[in-house]
Amino acid sequence: DAKTTQPPSMDCAEGRAANLPCNHSTISGNEYVYWYRQIHSQGPQYIIHGLKNNETNEMASLIITEDRKSSTLILPHATLRDTAVYYCIVGKGSSNTGKLIFGQGTTLQVKP
Amino acid sequence: SAVISQKPSRDICQRGTSLTIQCQVDSQVTMMFWYRQQPGQSLTLIATANQGSEATYESGFVIDKFPISRPNLTFSTLTVSNMSPEDSSIYLCSVGTVGGNIQYFGAGTRLSVL
Repeated sequence: DAKTTQPPSMDCAEGRAANLPCNHSTISGNEYVYWYRQIHSQGPQYIIHGLKNNETNEMASLIITEDRKSSTLILPHATLRDTAVYYCIVGKGSSNTGKLIFGQGTTLQVKP
Repeated sequence: SAVISQKPSRDICQRGTSLTIQCQVDSQVTMMFWYRQQPGQSLTLIATANQGSEATYESGFVIDKFPISRPNLTFSTLTVSNMSPEDSSIYLCSVGTVGGNIQYFGAGTRLSVL
């Protein structure tokens, strides 16, 4: 599975959009980009995933560049409860073993 | 989605003893996984728990140290054997969608070994 690179930490003002970048330059054609987050003292929580098109759900938007070598997770109106470690993970979809390889992620601190 | 219950939520154990962690899911699932999260670190996959067969362990993890059972499609256990202080970690189970990387996690078991 391709490796990902994320900044170790970011700050965001409450109510503003949080844009979390991820580089995955070695991603292959059948690999998806997945985002999870882990709020303190909880298990990781699935947020969103995509292959090549931009995706949006009730939690966030995922923007994937045309060459698929990088992506951005957007939390449109960050709240204090969005303070967490955000993990960008690349993995195969329907033909995969289900294994998730977690990197160090980005610690997002939402400030009042 | 799936609701995962882990027991115990935390424990303090003496070195040399063993602890069995239970993971219960509210629906039948094919894929179950066990992870370890050492203090201040990210998650590391220990093994994939297969129903009806032996678990598949990742590099660096062995069955003698982390025996896993998967008696049915809703339940699994992970035992941490002959514990040492280095085993102090959070242990998490997760379940996966068929053929995909969408996983749902339990809250974890916080283990401290003295």
